[in-house]
Amino acid sequence: QQQVKQSPQSLIVQKGGISIINCAYENTAFDYFPWYQQFPGKGPALLIAIRPDVSEKKEGRFTISFNKSAKQFSLHIMDSQPGDSATYFCAAVWGRRALTFGSGTRLQVQP
Amino acid sequence: DAGVIQSPRHEVTEMGQEVTLRCKPISGHNSLFWYRQTMMRGLELLIYFNNNVPIDDSGMPEDRFSAKMPNASFSTLKIQPSEPRDSAVYFCASSRRGENTGELFFGEGSRLTVL
Repeated sequence: QQQVKQSPQSLIVQKGGISIINCAYENTAFDYFPWYQQFPGKGPALLIAIRPDVSEKKEGRFTISFNKSAKQFSLHIMDSQPGDSATYFCAAVWGRRALTFGSGTRLQVQP
Repeated sequence: DAGVIQSPRHEVTEMGQEVTLRCKPISGHNSLFWYRQTMMRGLELLIYFNNNVPIDDSGMPEDRFSAKMPNASFSTLKIQPSEPRDSAVYFCASSRRGENTGELFFGEGSRLTVL
């Protein structure tokens, strides 16, 4: 129940394209869903986050779509750029517990 | 403002040796987390502290692993004796607890290689 399942494991997108990463969870107690971005040799950093009372949140080229009934959420990167090439982790948390991370998606944006 | 500081950045050791990883959280943060990252298992929570008190250590693999937080500005993760399967990147992260924003601030990690 603590798991967050993430797909795909890796993704190659052309510059200007849309990158889509999906996550699913079982624990309905989760009440906060952040996405983290990690560049090689660095620690993950918060990218964008959503709470289950909204279905979508957009920040610049990054959008989270949230489907509470399906227990799924996704990250969309519009107009993907080579600088977006990184590993992306979805995560979930409730209460004062620690984050549970998905397995990560390695995104490569080709010029 | 300095971020989370971890040391050493890289450690190569031989099986059976003791390894100590160190972390200085961001000043004012009262929660500290240790995560381990491997290709096979991704980011795994090992232990986290709130106000220097261990809250959940269920992710600590076994008795060879121990973590301490003697004060608000310092934590250690110790592996004794180390084994090749402990090879991973160990991340320390801190946050301001009570905000429940889920925003962790990670250090750059300590890459451990056990030969």
